[in-house]
Amino acid sequence: AQSVTQLGSHVSVSEGALVLLRCNYSSSVPPYLFWYVQYPNQGLQLLLKYTSAATLVKGINGFEAEFKKSETSFHLTKPSAHMSDAAEYFCAVINTNAGKSTFGDGTTLTVKP
Amino acid sequence: KAGVTQTPRYLIKTRGQQVTLSCSPISGHRSVSWYQQTPGQGLQFLFEYFSETQRNKGNFPGRFSGRQFSNSRSEMNVSTLELGDSALYLCASSLAPMAGAEQFFGPGTRLTVL
Repeated sequence: AQSVTQLGSHVSVSEGALVLLRCNYSSSVPPYLFWYVQYPNQGLQLLLKYTSAATLVKGINGFEAEFKKSETSFHLTKPSAHMSDAAEYFCAVINTNAGKSTFGDGTTLTVKP
Repeated sequence: KAGVTQTPRYLIKTRGQQVTLSCSPISGHRSVSWYQQTPGQGLQFLFEYFSETQRNKGNFPGRFSGRQFSNSRSEMNVSTLELGDSALYLCASSLAPMAGAEQFFGPGTRLTVL
């Protein structure tokens, strides 16, 4: 079985501050890991993905995430938050054998001016 | 290139009715996956279709079914609707089966069951 835990359902940062959204996973096989962003009344947009290549993955809009196998983590970071980053973020794991995806519960990011 | 489209965007039904949702993938994409999103349960995987065949299925009752046509368009059907079926239903398409392939999500269909 696989699972995803996103620590903190709500994260608030000031504009220009570091963004850190935490994701821990469990998977019985080497996982593929994803971060998605969802704006109100919209579908999900892929930010970045890890598929067993480089452990530090760079995505769109200045986001990046580092795969740490020893910590079973895939935290999302951005050096400087922008007001437009306010949204809900989802971490997801795909079991490459079974082909099933599991999403975390999401973290709502608020950016204060 | 047009994105994933879902119709209708909003739907209101009453308990006991059935509903059919439609998803048109990005041109050339052969995999379509469906998800249910609710405030209480979050995003849950319903099923994935690839080349008209269901590849994977999540833990949902048999009231939830789907199909994929030869042009890769997919439909999802929910029979005997329950209040708890109220949710945002998201469709995602990808070139290849979901594992490892980037999925592109549609805007979703908001289903309200009264």
